[in-house]
Amino acid sequence: AQSVAQPEDQVNVAEGNPLTVKCTYSVSGNPYLFWYVQYPNRGLQFLLKYITGDNLVKGSYGFEAEFNKSQTSFHLKKPSALVSDSALYFCAAFSGSARQLTFGSGTQLTVLP
Amino acid sequence: NAGVTQTPKFRVLKTGQSMTLLCAQDMNHEYMYWYRQDPGMGLRLIHYSVGEGTTAKGEVPDGYNVSRLKKQNFLLGLESAAPSQTSVYFCASSYLRNEKLFFGSGTQLSVL
Repeated sequence: AQSVAQPEDQVNVAEGNPLTVKCTYSVSGNPYLFWYVQYPNRGLQFLLKYITGDNLVKGSYGFEAEFNKSQTSFHLKKPSALVSDSALYFCAAFSGSARQLTFGSGTQLTVLP
Repeated sequence: NAGVTQTPKFRVLKTGQSMTLLCAQDMNHEYMYWYRQDPGMGLRLIHYSVGEGTTAKGEVPDGYNVSRLKKQNFLLGLESAAPSQTSVYFCASSYLRNEKLFFGSGTQLSVL
């Protein structure tokens, strides 16, 4: 069975500092990995995805994610956080043989001015 | 393009009542999905469809039914609502199974 873990319910960071939102996954076979962001009272929006290739994936709004196969992790990063980055972030995964995408429980990111 | 549109945005039901949530997409996507979002549990897949006329069960299908009579529409029905179905419901669509999902803005449902 697939699973996605986001070990931190809440991450606080000061504006201008680097941010990391953690994600680990468990899927059989090669993983497809995604990050989505949710602003209050809105649906989820796609940020970036990893399917194959370079371990560092660049996405929207200056976000990037690093795929680490040995640690089965796909952490979301940004070099310099903005107050407007404050939102709920979801990691998601599935393998090629799976029928559905599995989401993590979400991490609330708060960027403090 | 409107993308993915969900109606209604809010609804309050009494236990035992029925209702239908409508999802429409104008991107000609084959795949459509219904998720529910509950605090601390992320998104859980209720039902999905891989094309017009097809439906399949997701992780939490009990108490829900779906239909995809037209490619652009995916309906989620609750025949006899229960308080445990109080949640925020999201519809999503994608062109391929492993491509990014496009989400609607959600339906806040309360069952009293």
